[in-house]
Amino acid sequence: DTAVSQTPKYLVTQMGNDKSIKCEQNLGHDTMYWYKQDSKKFLKIMFSYNNKELIINETVPNRFSPKSPDKAHLNLHINSLELGDSAVYFCASSQRTPNYGYTFGSGTRLTVV
Amino acid sequence: DQQVKQNSPSLSVQEGRISILNCDYTNSMFDYFLWYKKYPAEGPTFLISISSIKDKNEDGRFTVFLNKSAKHLSLHIVPSQPGDSAVYFCAAQTGANNLFFGTGTRLTVIP
Repeated sequence: DTAVSQTPKYLVTQMGNDKSIKCEQNLGHDTMYWYKQDSKKFLKIMFSYNNKELIINETVPNRFSPKSPDKAHLNLHINSLELGDSAVYFCASSQRTPNYGYTFGSGTRLTVV
Repeated sequence: DQQVKQNSPSLSVQEGRISILNCDYTNSMFDYFLWYKKYPAEGPTFLISISSIKDKNEDGRFTVFLNKSAKHLSLHIVPSQPGDSAVYFCAAQTGANNLFFGTGTRLTVIP
């Protein structure tokens, strides 16, 4: 069974559309994350979320919003997609104690045309 | 501002030789460092880590060295194998806070 799964794996959409990427983890972790890997291959934190707090990277446009129906899911919703949103988005989870690594999903390649 | 940097985007090594991947960081508050390995079309997978109270951690063919005074760490792979060909990301965190990643180094091990 996949520990952290993301759907869809590929997403091609037009500018201005609204889209969602889903993420589920079956590890029992209490914290989930969204990372964006841009064209320069830089993995940058977008959000971290557990059932107590949402931490948003201040550089993330408010068109991006995480939605968590329960502890095992953290979906990423994007409004009014722009060309610059094209990237690979990785979901990850961890147990939010010090020195605990993350488990990543396989990524969603978003292409905005 | 990028707090974790990997200045070599790529590295090629002959099979059986040592691979050395380097990473520098700027935040002296980082207290835990990790290396992740990434194959194409897959998410990063955890490889090895080191606490800031240590200067070396070894796991099989993989050894991570930490030089706190220089804010530098390195990953040594000995001997290198073709299956080690991947992108390697260095990452760092403070306590239970978010991981900050470097931009990765693509390692190619030539048979």
